[in-house]
Amino acid sequence: KAGVTQTPRYLIKTRGQQVTLSCSPISGHRSVSWYQQTPGQGLQFLFEYFSETQRNKGNFPGRFSGRQFSNSRSEMNVSTLELGDSALYLCASSFGEVIYEQYFGPGTRLTVT
Amino acid sequence: GIQVEQSPPDLILQEGANSTLRCNFSDSVNNLQWFHQNPWGQLINLFYIPSGTKQNGRLSATTVATERYSLLYISSSQTTDSGVYFCAVKSWVHDMRFGAGTRLTVKP
Repeated sequence: KAGVTQTPRYLIKTRGQQVTLSCSPISGHRSVSWYQQTPGQGLQFLFEYFSETQRNKGNFPGRFSGRQFSNSRSEMNVSTLELGDSALYLCASSFGEVIYEQYFGPGTRLTVT
Repeated sequence: GIQVEQSPPDLILQEGANSTLRCNFSDSVNNLQWFHQNPWGQLINLFYIPSGTKQNGRLSATTVATERYSLLYISSSQTTDSGVYFCAVKSWVHDMRFGAGTRLTVKP
């Protein structure tokens, strides 16, 4: 069974631009969560989706948004990029509505210049 | 939210040594996972262990939920065990929270 895939793997953007990251969960998994990892703040929860519905959102500004499609694939968008948005963005998938074991993708490394 | 503390923050070992990593959490949880982050950033699942004890080869983990801690044991460490180990916890009312990690360096 294929693992969680994320695209693109690397991205360089300029301040003020917007970016969309994509995540495809493990086949059959219906929950997708997103996390941001930075050297200063560590791993922080962004969003959690199940069946196209956002179930939970972390403490991030409204510039960070996401969605989940009917095939469980998910995207996250960051608008008006800031230097501090440079980070590794990780997506994780889990089987059901209740989050038990999560499996992570390889991440998208975003650099904002 | 739940506070997660991992110790030690850094650990340097000689190949073949054993180690114990600790994760303390501040509230009841229904989900606890241990991960190993490789140099490329990928988080590798080690254990899903909200309670009890599990073993997988040279690695084992124990979670004592009533006392709010979990331990990860690495025996006969190898250089490939190097990396950062994270503990992550979740409760019914809180999102997933990660500890700051333990950076393990195994020297040949």
